[in-house]
Amino acid sequence: GENVEQHPSTLSVQEGDSAVIKCTYSDSASNYFPWYKQELGKRPQLIIDIRSNVGEKKDQRIAVTLNKTAKHFSLHITETQPEDSAVYFCAASGYSTLTFGKGTMLLVSP
Amino acid sequence: DAGVIQSPRHEVTEMGQEVTLRCKPISGHDYLFWYRQTMMRGLELLIYFNNNVPIDDSGMPEDRFSAKMPNASFSTLKIQPSEPRDSAVYFCASSQTSGRVSEQFFGPGTRLTVL
Repeated sequence: GENVEQHPSTLSVQEGDSAVIKCTYSDSASNYFPWYKQELGKRPQLIIDIRSNVGEKKDQRIAVTLNKTAKHFSLHITETQPEDSAVYFCAASGYSTLTFGKGTMLLVSP
Repeated sequence: DAGVIQSPRHEVTEMGQEVTLRCKPISGHDYLFWYRQTMMRGLELLIYFNNNVPIDDSGMPEDRFSAKMPNASFSTLKIQPSEPRDSAVYFCASSQTSGRVSEQFFGPGTRLTVL
């Protein structure tokens, strides 16, 4: 089955800095890579996703890049704000199920 | 749509008791997923349904866990008997694939504490 590794497990940045979270996956058949944000005590919510026919996708301050050859994908957050503080999960999917990484706790200090 | 609905939001029970968690997916969604979230193991897929039929229950930890989906708008996850190590947040999620995997919408979760 699919295996997703996510790094780092915690990330502390100053407000205004950029943050990068990286994930690798094992199943070359995976073709859908979403990123979820989970605030404390809340549900995971999709913030951006990318499919395997695209190398990069951007939505305002967040962007995701995908390297299918190397089987890794990354989340980039620019101009971080305190409200970006949360746990971020990457996931990979081949058809109908998602395999999640263990999560990255992002702390943005004012 | 109100989104995915789960009940109860919090459940505290004693070891050995039966626990039933409930989920109402988003109308029109054909996939329903049950996850368990703990600090140690992260988000684990327990079981998922497609058009009310269980497809893969390989994530269900033990025979003490069972899940049903009697119709398109309701699913239950039952633990009998419950144990302290079952304490976790249980999420239900639904999606509409339309031929390819797509966003899963999560419910608010049920925080289960087994004493």
